[in-house]
Amino acid sequence: EIVLTQSPDFQSVTPKEKVTITCRASQSIDSSLHWYQQKPDQSPKLLIKFASQSISGVPSRFSGSGSGTDFTLTINSLEAEDAATYYCHQSSSLPLTFGQGTKVEIK
Amino acid sequence: QVQLQESGPGLVKSSGTLSLTCAVPGGSIRNSNWWTWVRQPPGKGLEWIGEMLHSGSTNYNPSLKSRVTISVDRSKNQLSLKLTSVTAADTAVYYCAQTGDYAFDIWGQGTMVTVSS
Repeated sequence: EIVLTQSPDFQSVTPKEKVTITCRASQSIDSSLHWYQQKPDQSPKLLIKFASQSISGVPSRFSGSGSGTDFTLTINSLEAEDAATYYCHQSSSLPLTFGQGTKVEIK
Repeated sequence: QVQLQESGPGLVKSSGTLSLTCAVPGGSIRNSNWWTWVRQPPGKGLEWIGEMLHSGSTNYNPSLKSRVTISVDRSKNQLSLKLTSVTAADTAVYYCAQTGDYAFDIWGQGTMVTVSS
């Protein structure tokens, strides 16, 4: 099973700051890494697929990068509405797995 | 626009069977996508339960494989989940999701299931 480890677990950020969340895979997954945003009491929402591919309707301040074992989700100029928990997910091999989540709080 | 709607009992007795359905209004269960179940215990992260292709192919999480069955009812255009021998550890919000291009691109609103002793 591929283990995904996100860092940090929690981040408190001021609006307009840049946020960087990393996801490290226990073995290479090429670019089979996707990012989700989950706001309180809501379902997860797909933000980025295949490490860096944008999703229609997602604000351009969200971007992703990486391949192999190391991946990054970047939120440029954080807005209050971005307060949420962010998860990475790998689709390289079964069982499909998620990172433990990174909670982003707005100061 | 495809929507997903989970439904089922909110309370299940310990050692019993959890049964949920996921309706797909606005779409067809017969399309080429995989259909997935994911769960989230209160205050915790996401766990993949398993997936099914409309043709009947399935993949399950090994940690749950002996207790899980995912099926499709094409006549009702819905997906089903059965989890047997439940315990308190199975208390969670259960989501169904459509897998589009290997990512979960559409999610249901989720349904909370509590296992009582």
